[in-house]
Amino acid sequence: DIVMTQSPLSLPVTPGEPASISCRSSQSLLHSVGYNYLEWYLQKPGQSPQLLIYSGSNRASGVPDRFSGSGSGTDFTLKISRVEPEDVGVYYCMHVLQTPYTFGQGTKLAIK
Amino acid sequence: EVQLVESGGDLVQPGGSLRLSCVASGFSFTNYWMSWVRQTPGKGLEWVAIIKQDGSEKYFLDSVKGRFTISRDNAKDSLFLQMSSLRAEDTALYYCARHGYNHALDIWGQGTLVTVSS
Repeated sequence: DIVMTQSPLSLPVTPGEPASISCRSSQSLLHSVGYNYLEWYLQKPGQSPQLLIYSGSNRASGVPDRFSGSGSGTDFTLKISRVEPEDVGVYYCMHVLQTPYTFGQGTKLAIK
Repeated sequence: EVQLVESGGDLVQPGGSLRLSCVASGFSFTNYWMSWVRQTPGKGLEWVAIIKQDGSEKYFLDSVKGRFTISRDNAKDSLFLQMSSLRAEDTALYYCARHGYNHALDIWGQGTLVTVSS
């Protein structure tokens, strides 16, 4: 199974400041067709997870452009250019390269 | 509105069975792969099972193989998870989710709670 490792696990941020979350996979998520099968999700308090980024770097519909994803192979990063209060929650990376799909442990973003 | 609504969660004794349902609306259900994902406080998010659009391919998490079955009824826009030989470690909030572009889980339901306890 592919192991997904996120860091940090806790991320206190001042509103307006940037934030960055790292996700590493135990094997490359780059498919032969050229896509990285890596996604980022945000689970806001009391809600279901919502898709933020797919294929490593593509924002999902309706996601603000302050969110960006980068990386390839085994190393990926989610960046928030300027954190807003509504960005509070737990961020997960997940791979869909092969079953079993697996998630990272989650990174809890909180406002300072 | 595009949405998924789960139901069927309950308190069940170890060794018991339960069937979860998920009804889709607002999109063409028959065009999408669908998955079940569960969440526990201790283990976070865990993918459980996936089924192809026509039901011809199904894949499972190792720990549920032989105990859980995934199925769908495209005429009724419905997804199911039949769970048997339930264990305490199956206790979780179970979500159904749609696989959209490049297989991303782009739509999630609100979840249904399964508690396995005597």
